[in-house]
Amino acid sequence: KAGVTQTPRYLIKTRGQQVTLSCSPISGHRSVSWYQQTPGQGLQFLFEYFSETQRNKGNFPGRFSGRQFSNSRSEMNVSTLELGDSALYLCASSPGLGGPNTEAFFGQGTRLTVV
Amino acid sequence: AQSVTQLDSQVPVFEEAPVELRCNYSSSVSVYLFWYVQYPNQGLQLLLKYLSGSTLVKGINGFEAEFNKSQTSFHLRKPSVHISDTAEYFCAVSEGGSYIPTFGRGTSLIVHP
Repeated sequence: KAGVTQTPRYLIKTRGQQVTLSCSPISGHRSVSWYQQTPGQGLQFLFEYFSETQRNKGNFPGRFSGRQFSNSRSEMNVSTLELGDSALYLCASSPGLGGPNTEAFFGQGTRLTVV
Repeated sequence: AQSVTQLDSQVPVFEEAPVELRCNYSSSVSVYLFWYVQYPNQGLQLLLKYLSGSTLVKGINGFEAEFNKSQTSFHLRKPSVHISDTAEYFCAVSEGGSYIPTFGRGTSLIVHP
């Protein structure tokens, strides 16, 4: 069974640009969550999508957005990039049924560097 | 609302020594508990989980954790660590009605030769 796939693995962008990250969940999983990880702030929850709808949202500005397609693949977009957006962005998939089924399966992450 | 506290941000230990990484959670309902490990520039990998039943849970790589409901804790232990255990460890909790777990800030385990 293939794991969670995130593309690209590495990205370098300039301040003010926008970026799109992609995540393909495990086959059959309907929930995709996104996290931002930085040395100072740890693992911070961005948002979760389930069956193409945003079901949970963290405390991030509107520059951070996402979507999920009918095949459960998800994209995350960051507009007007700032230096502070440099981070490892992690995607996690799960069946999405909650309770004991909240075990998250993580991708390798996308390392975004904003210069 | 659920929350997780990992009491130590960094734990240095010598190779072959025992280690305990502490995790406390806050929740008023039944919970499901997880420990994940993250190696440098990698995603998180599940070490072990507590869903129900026996409070002592065994995971991969020789790790185990004990669920203590009265102390609302889920500490991770290993009797003898290796250099390769150097990594970041995250505790996570999920309540019965939630769809995603809440993660602690992580504990960096540093194993010295």
